[in-house]
Amino acid sequence: DSGVTQTPKHLITATGQRVTLRCSPRSGDLSVYWYQQSLDQGLQFLIHYYNGEERAKGNILERFSAQQFPDLHSELNLSSLELGDSALYFCASSVDSAGYEQFFGPGTRLTVL
Amino acid sequence: GNSVTQMEGPVTLSEEAFLTINCTYTATGYPSLFWYVQYPGEGLQLLLKATKADDKGSNKGFEATYRKETTSFHLEKGSVQVSDSAVYFCALDIQGGSEKLVFGKGTKLTVNP
Repeated sequence: DSGVTQTPKHLITATGQRVTLRCSPRSGDLSVYWYQQSLDQGLQFLIHYYNGEERAKGNILERFSAQQFPDLHSELNLSSLELGDSALYFCASSVDSAGYEQFFGPGTRLTVL
Repeated sequence: GNSVTQMEGPVTLSEEAFLTINCTYTATGYPSLFWYVQYPGEGLQLLLKATKADDKGSNKGFEATYRKETTSFHLEKGSVQVSDSAVYFCALDIQGGSEKLVFGKGTKLTVNP
């Protein structure tokens, strides 16, 4: 158990819908990272927050957004969902902004029908 | 840009066989290198890391040496066990960079008794 929690574990929804994925980092960690894992693209970095502020953006679509709240949990919002958004979404946390050792949550499996 | 290339597998071995999973990288700057492991149904776990050239990372019988001259970080284990069956990801992070991990596509290892 990494200490990073993600909810829900599974999510099934329809095209065009909007969903919110939630992540609670390990106690004491200030950084939260989001990754998307799909069969064709592999593991791709989406976005990084440190202590409530966005620090880096990767291959994140405009339909996707994220935020980190004062209690340090983070939410990833996916809207206007398409079939291709079906993937495993991982959250990771680290104690600082350098991100050298990231601890991953179990992931949320999103299926868009 | 920064990228990681690893043998995609799948790799199937018998218990106690020798394991090598090749990983090479392309990076601007001075990367830290990592091996992560993903067991079935779980998130990624850091297996080992090396932060500078000639460093050797090791954990649970696995080891990898950071070779700057060949831009490689091959994962090895002398005697695999059934419990080592998992997907292994090679990754890099640029020190002082955008603080994100760049992953290879993963190598699925199956160890048969």
